Amino acid sequence: GAVVSQHPSRVICKSGTSVKIECRSLDFQATTMFWYRQFPKKSLMLMATSNEGSKATYEQGVEKDKFLINHASLTLSTLTVTSAHPEDSSFYICSARVGLDYNEQFFGPGTRLTVL
Amino acid sequence: LAKTTQPISMDSYEGQEVNITCSHNNIATNDYITWYQQFPSQGPRFIIQGYKTKVTNEVASLFIPADRKSSTLSLPRVSLSDTAVYYCLVVLSGYSTLTFGKGTMLLVSP
Repeated sequence: GAVVSQHPSRVICKSGTSVKIECRSLDFQATTMFWYRQFPKKSLMLMATSNEGSKATYEQGVEKDKFLINHASLTLSTLTVTSAHPEDSSFYICSARVGLDYNEQFFGPGTRLTVL
Repeated sequence: LAKTTQPISMDSYEGQEVNITCSHNNIATNDYITWYQQFPSQGPRFIIQGYKTKVTNEVASLFIPADRKSSTLSLPRVSLSDTAVYYCLVVLSGYSTLTFGKGTMLLVSP
C-alpha cells in the first residue's frame, strides 16, 4: 500500500522555539494532506487540510499563525509549530489522500513533540 | 456527519474471536462505515470499509444490518499483536475528512 513518512519521529525543544515536521508520500502523489493532533489517551483531532499549491484550511480553534502549513509539492507537506509552548506537546500525525475516495487516505507514523 | 458510539474498552484472550460493535443511528444514505486500527505512538491504519451487509478481507469482517444503524467489526482469532485502539468512522462518500471518535481499546491477553 501507499507509504507516508514523517520526520522527525520525535523532537524535544525549548519553549519559544519553532519546530518543523515533514510529511512525505513516498510512492504516490498526494494532492491533499491532513494534519492531526493527538493528546495522550485521546482521539485524533483534525487540525488542517493541506492542498498542494494552495493555502491550508484550518479547523475551528486551530491558530493558523501558530501552526504554519506548507504543501509545496505533491509529495511533501510541512507543519511548523511556531513559538512552541509546553501545551503544544502532543503527537502530530499526517495523512495523505491518494485519490478521490475517502478510504484512500494513508497515515504517517506520527511525530512526538515535547516542549520543555 | 453521523456520530458513532462504541465501547471504550474490551478484553479478550489469544485465539478468541472479538466483535466490536459501533452504533451510528443517524447515518445518512451516502455514508460509508470505516474502521481504523491504531497502535500506541503510531498513525492509524485502515482496516475495512463497508456500506451494507458483509465485507471480509484478510484482516477482518464487517457486518452491517439492513438498517445500517450499527456495524460490527469482527476480528477472528486475535493475537497479542491485535492489542490496539479501534476506531469506527462514518464517512460521506467522496468526502475525505475523517472524524475520529474515542475508539475502543482492545486488550488481548495470553
